[in-house]
Amino acid sequence: AQTVTQSQPEMSVQEAETVTLSCTYDTSESNYYLFWYKQPPSRQMILVIRQEAYKQQNATENRFSVNFQKAAKSFSLKISDSQLGDTAMYFCAFMRFWDSNYQLIWGAGTKLIIKP
Amino acid sequence: DTGVSQDPRHKITKRGQNVTFRCDPISEHNRLYWYRQTLGQGPEFLTYFQNEAQLEKSRLLSDRFSAERPKGSFSTLEIQRTEQGDSAMYLCASSLAREPGNTIYFGEGSWLTVV
Repeated sequence: AQTVTQSQPEMSVQEAETVTLSCTYDTSESNYYLFWYKQPPSRQMILVIRQEAYKQQNATENRFSVNFQKAAKSFSLKISDSQLGDTAMYFCAFMRFWDSNYQLIWGAGTKLIIKP
Repeated sequence: DTGVSQDPRHKITKRGQNVTFRCDPISEHNRLYWYRQTLGQGPEFLTYFQNEAQLEKSRLLSDRFSAERPKGSFSTLEIQRTEQGDSAMYLCASSLAREPGNTIYFGEGSWLTVV
């Protein structure tokens, strides 16, 4: 069975700093998807970035980028020039490539606080 | 695109009462999911529909829980004889099932408090 582990329950950084959130996962699959979702307080879950395991290039979305290490089964999220609006719970999630149910397997989340 | 909407956003109910939540997915999305999330945890999968067919139910979904999507559009999640352990946020999400890994869009959730 696949599992996703986020080892940092909570992190806080000053505004404009760079922060990296860690995520490791366990799977025997060779093809899969990885996601980072953001859930601001009392707001909906939104997709931050996704990575296809068969792509070697790390995904980037503006200030958000990932460091995908397939052999190490690691998928960290880097937020550059952090902003107050980045304060949220961040969840790492895994989806099997051949899963017709498109089920997401979630980590427990990291609470990120950006301080002014 | 108005996003996934859920109603009600908050519900307080007495133990033993029935509650129903409604979800309206993004209009062209044929997949609809229900998740449950408790504080400090990631979402737990409950069930999902492709069009009107309920294709999978989690073992978390006891007999007191039932979900429907009668016309392949909106969905309802009913919890009968609520228990305090049912207190959680119930998240609805939708996606377009053209390919795996398609973005799943979430609603803002329905908070349930059972007293």
